[in-house]
Amino acid sequence: GENVEQHPSTLSVQEGDSAVIKCTYSDSASNYFPWYKQELGKGPQLIIDIRSNVGEKKDQRIAVTLNKTAKHFSLHITETQPEDSAVYFCAAHFNSGGYQKVTFGTGTKLQVIP
Amino acid sequence: DAGVIQSPRHEVTEMGQEVTLRCKPISGHNSLFWYRQTMMRGLELLIYFNNNVPIDDSGMPEDRFSAKMPNASFSTLKIQPSEPRDSAVYFCASSLETTNTEAFFGQGTRLTVV
Repeated sequence: GENVEQHPSTLSVQEGDSAVIKCTYSDSASNYFPWYKQELGKGPQLIIDIRSNVGEKKDQRIAVTLNKTAKHFSLHITETQPEDSAVYFCAAHFNSGGYQKVTFGTGTKLQVIP
Repeated sequence: DAGVIQSPRHEVTEMGQEVTLRCKPISGHNSLFWYRQTMMRGLELLIYFNNNVPIDDSGMPEDRFSAKMPNASFSTLKIQPSEPRDSAVYFCASSLETTNTEAFFGQGTRLTVV
């Protein structure tokens, strides 16, 4: 099955700096890669996603890049703010028998220091 | 829509007791997922339903766990008998299609088995 590795497990940055979280996946059939943000006491919430036919996607301060050849994708947050502090999860989707299979990364706890 | 609604938010029960977690997916969504989150194992997919039918229950840890979806607007996850190692946060999520789409998570149920 699919294996998703996520690094780092924890990340501390100064407010205003950039943060980068990386994920690798094993199944070349994976074709959809969402990123979720989980705040304390809440469920994960989608912040950005990318499909396998796209190399990069940006939404304001957040961007995601995908390298299909190397089978890795990254989340980039620029000009970090204290409210960006949360746990971030990557995920990889692939289709099996007409249904989706989803594997999540182990999460990255991001702390933005004011 | 109010989003995915889970109940209860918190549950404390004694070992050996039956526990039932409930979920109301977003109206119109045809896929429903149950996840378990722990510090040690991260987010684990337990089971997912498509059009009320269980498609993949390979993540259900053992026979003590069972899940049902009697209609498109309600699902339950039952643990009988419960054990301390079942303590975790259980999330329900729903999505609009079966493949390559965002999952919307509920707020989760924090289960503590003493």
